[in-house]
Amino acid sequence: DVKVTQSSRYLVKRTGEKVFLECVQDMDHENMFWYRQDPGLGLRLIYFSYDVKMKEKGDIPEGYSVSREKKERFSLILESASTNQTSMYLCASSLYPRAGGPDEAFFGQGTRLTVV
Amino acid sequence: AQTVTQSQPEMSVQEAETVTLSCTYDTSENNYYLFWYKQPPSRQMILVIRQEAYKQQNATENRFSVNFQKAAKSFSLKISDSQLGDTAMYFCAFMKHNSNDMRFGAGTRLTVKP
Repeated sequence: DVKVTQSSRYLVKRTGEKVFLECVQDMDHENMFWYRQDPGLGLRLIYFSYDVKMKEKGDIPEGYSVSREKKERFSLILESASTNQTSMYLCASSLYPRAGGPDEAFFGQGTRLTVV
Repeated sequence: AQTVTQSQPEMSVQEAETVTLSCTYDTSENNYYLFWYKQPPSRQMILVIRQEAYKQQNATENRFSVNFQKAAKSFSLKISDSQLGDTAMYFCAFMKHNSNDMRFGAGTRLTVKP
């Protein structure tokens, strides 16, 4: 079974702190994603990566950065956490689209981040 | 950019009955893929069903089926014989052909009542 593991289920940080959210997948997937989930807004794409050291901005990249030094690991960084970044963060991975079309995305269990 | 709209924030259904969740999307693409994902209270997102836009036949997975209307840009999910375990948030998602990223709707919270 594909496994996508996020390092924390719950996290509480102070305003201004630098925050790292880690995600690891064990199925050699090329694509990795970070989404933010808020009530009434669904999942919004922050960043995605289709290869090591490659990254693309999603819809809401402001205030975030990412790092992908190894294929299996994709980190989301909040350079200076703010209260409006309190949210649920979901990591996902998938295979690079093949001729038959995209594979499903596999998700981690989410990190609920509270910034106080 | 593509947008995905789920107009029903919450729905409920009695156990064993049928329910339909709505999804519309906006795109100028001709080739794309559509998905329904389920997020139960455990928060683990699970793929329910997928549809290729170039296929006219509606996808079916056991009790789950879709009504894909390409011209209307509509992609509804029908759940037959609803079970208590179907209680979850359901998200509709869109992906362009040869793309890497998936875009989601706001979600519909479905409650199955005993």
